[in-house]
Amino acid sequence: QKEVEQDPGPLSVPEGAIVSLNCTYSNSAFQYFMWYRQYSRKGPELLMYTYSSGNKEDGRFTAQVDKSSKYISLFIRDSQPSDSATYLCAMSADYQLIWGAGTKLIIKP
Amino acid sequence: GAVVSQHPSRVICKSGTSVKIECRSLDFQATTMFWYRQFPKQSLMLMATSNEGSKATYEQGVEKDKFLINHASLTLSTLTVTSAHPEDSSFYICSARDRGLAGSDTQYFGPGTRLTVL
Repeated sequence: QKEVEQDPGPLSVPEGAIVSLNCTYSNSAFQYFMWYRQYSRKGPELLMYTYSSGNKEDGRFTAQVDKSSKYISLFIRDSQPSDSATYLCAMSADYQLIWGAGTKLIIKP
Repeated sequence: GAVVSQHPSRVICKSGTSVKIECRSLDFQATTMFWYRQFPKQSLMLMATSNEGSKATYEQGVEKDKFLINHASLTLSTLTVTSAHPEDSSFYICSARDRGLAGSDTQYFGPGTRLTVL
């Protein structure tokens, strides 16, 4: 079993829909949780950074961490075609990052 | 599957020394590997792209004589930080593209190497 599981997709939704992206993990020592967005042939861009449990909101993006369930989510409201990209979760207990495989998201106009 | 390892995970060195970081694809062949650096809470910055058997392509502003990249096999790429200075202290992350997934943009990321130069 991988330490971090993420459905690779692709996930295809219509423009304007609410998107939910998720990762599960097995290591209870993880304290830092991140979501990255990567466009094709570009480097990953940090979207959200969360420490421990709780919610964090930034514009149309909301990150949730549920440590009791070992489950993290990224919600995108009012999705736009420009949100089409691969979204990767990453988490760490110290300096090393453990990555999800990334979910390819397609927003249809 | 699709595991990428990096070694070492953490290194502390004196200013002026050189540090080599290894990136390995453990269960797939990677014709292309990427090297990134990341400062705390910031996005990954692409440093260079390396293709097996050829010279690396460096991004603008990255000194190729300072950051030597070797991609000698389909499973191993190395980054050598030559004559490291405190400003080189950063988190270095590699990723690899699976040769077997033709047309795929999927990159698999390593866990990163924390470099601290004193």
